[in-house]
Amino acid sequence: GAGVSQTPSNKVTEKGKYVELRCDPISGHTALYWYRQSLGQGPEFLIYFQGTGAADDSGLPNDRFFAVRPEGSVSTLKIQRTERGDSAVYLCASSFGWGTGELFFGEGSRLTVL
Amino acid sequence: TQLLEQSPQFLSIQEGENLTVYCNSSSVFSSLQWYRQEPGEGPVLLVTVVTGGEVKKLKRLTFQFGDARKDSSLHITAAQPGDTGLYLCAGYDNYGQNFVFGPGTRLSVLP
Repeated sequence: GAGVSQTPSNKVTEKGKYVELRCDPISGHTALYWYRQSLGQGPEFLIYFQGTGAADDSGLPNDRFFAVRPEGSVSTLKIQRTERGDSAVYLCASSFGWGTGELFFGEGSRLTVL
Repeated sequence: TQLLEQSPQFLSIQEGENLTVYCNSSSVFSSLQWYRQEPGEGPVLLVTVVTGGEVKKLKRLTFQFGDARKDSSLHITAAQPGDTGLYLCAGYDNYGQNFVFGPGTRLSVLP
């Protein structure tokens, strides 16, 4: 379809493992956002890309989290040495520009760290 | 970091009733959005408000942006079971150039 696509939809891993989550935004959308949503909470901002560069990464909780968008389209969120507290739904959103534009969300990647 | 609060946290009502949910902050936002999220899906935009005092209507939903652009409300008339979901407000943070979300109001409309 033409929406935001996230893979995998579900990921179960063991504590200490490395995880990659992928986001394929809507074609032509220059802005891409990563959010994390814990059960019963609102989305928590992680990082925002404008094109290939991270315009704001202030929401990344620590240096175990890293995200890239090398060609200004697909983005990968990388989590090293996963901890049980990393368990959450990771949401990706894209928008045509930034500011007041609508965010189009994917269905999320549910990460469970055992 | 600008923060948003939402109230009530949970709301369970009967079909046909009216309700209002609130979104508040101590900070000024240049714009504020309301999203609705269903289980297993990402949030979907309902409305964007930009001007202080602005009122927007979307069928049975009425959205208002406070005069000072620090708060907003969502009023639903004659709620239906299909309105059930998590209602999120999101403010555009001018400093960080990102959208800050509130914790949401979980609405359940019983038939």
